[in-house]
Amino acid sequence: KAGVTQTPRYLIKTRGQQVTLSCSPISGHRSVSWYQQTPGQGLQFLFEYFSETQRNKGNFPGRFSGRQFSNSRSEMNVSTLELGDSALYLCASSLGAGVSDTQYFGPGTRLTVL
Amino acid sequence: GIQVEQSPPDLILQEGANSTLRCNFSDSVNNLQWFHQNPWGQLINLFYIPSGTKQNGRLSATTVATERYSLLYISSSQTTDSGVYFCAVGSNDYKLSFGAGTTVTVRA
Repeated sequence: KAGVTQTPRYLIKTRGQQVTLSCSPISGHRSVSWYQQTPGQGLQFLFEYFSETQRNKGNFPGRFSGRQFSNSRSEMNVSTLELGDSALYLCASSLGAGVSDTQYFGPGTRLTVL
Repeated sequence: GIQVEQSPPDLILQEGANSTLRCNFSDSVNNLQWFHQNPWGQLINLFYIPSGTKQNGRLSATTVATERYSLLYISSSQTTDSGVYFCAVGSNDYKLSFGAGTTVTVRA
């Protein structure tokens, strides 16, 4: 079974631009979560989706948004990019039936904002 | 939210040595996972272990949920064990809270 895939793997943007990242979960998984990893803040939760509904959202500004499609694929968008948005963005998928499912992570998208 | 503390922050080992990594958490959890982050950034699942003991080759883990801690044991370490090890916990909120990680360096 294929793992979690994320595209693109690397991205360079300039301040003020917007960016869209994509995540395809493991086949049969209906929950997708997003995390941001930076050297200063570590791994922080962004949001989680299940059956196209956001069930939880982390403490990030409104510039960060996401959505999930009927095939469970998910996208996250960051508008008006700031230098501090440079980070590794990780997506995880799980079956989603319960609150304690095993999370499986993708390879990440490394975003650099210049 | 749940606070997660990992210790030690850094660990330097000679190849063949054994080690123990610790994860303390501040509240009851129903999800606890250990990950190894590879040099390219991907988090590799090691264990899903909200309670009890599991073993996988040279790695084993124990979680004592009532005392709010988990331990990851690495035996007969190899250079390929180098990297950052993360503990992550979850409660009834569909998210994982991560510790700051333990950076392990295994020297040949």
